[in-house]
Amino acid sequence: GAGVSQSPSNKVTEKGKDVELRCDPISGHTALYWYRQSLGQGLEFLIYFQGNSAPDKSGLPSDRFSAERTGGSVSTLTIQRTQQEDSAVYLCASTLTASGANVLTFGAGSRLTVL
Amino acid sequence: DQQVKQNSPSLSVQEGRISILNCDYTNSMFDYFLWYKKYPAEGPTFLISISSIKDKNEDGRFTVFLNKSAKHLSLHIVPSQPGDSAVYFCAEEGGSEKLVFGKGTKLTVNP
Repeated sequence: GAGVSQSPSNKVTEKGKDVELRCDPISGHTALYWYRQSLGQGLEFLIYFQGNSAPDKSGLPSDRFSAERTGGSVSTLTIQRTQQEDSAVYLCASTLTASGANVLTFGAGSRLTVL
Repeated sequence: DQQVKQNSPSLSVQEGRISILNCDYTNSMFDYFLWYKKYPAEGPTFLISISSIKDKNEDGRFTVFLNKSAKHLSLHIVPSQPGDSAVYFCAEEGGSEKLVFGKGTKLTVNP
């Protein structure tokens, strides 16, 4: 597609439920990133994919968080047994790895609210 | 410890004047710094970058200055326009493939 597409745009869930957030990157972009922005905070790195593998998953807050990428394209971020502190905007970005600055193109985000 | 610091959470300027957004960093081993702009309910969009081997990069109304001895960079917007009102993030690209972002500065340009 023309841009990075994320779904759902908004998700309200109850504490303890599992949620899945989807990211469809720009076609041909080899690298895919997940960040989150909690209220009043900056952009917190979660995980990075190069193709289908995740060389850096150091930002995942706990083992309740997992992500996968299939076919070098779509990625899913899964949060199990959601907690209220998981409430945030989850942002996906993609880039075509090349020389020069690593310019990420972001989607509009998925706003997660855990009640 | 935060690697990239934006110490001013907000800035307000008059239309037509200069906006100066600041960023401090701790890691000396970086390749690039990038600035992103974010409007409400949208994802961040890339604005301008600067390489570690340069001290200035200009693109239209936007100029980024890098002071390596002070570990400080700044984004200048001249002249400021109401449409520039947004949250601005600086981000460091330093050896790994990920970008490390500051907490952002909310710029308000008053007509």
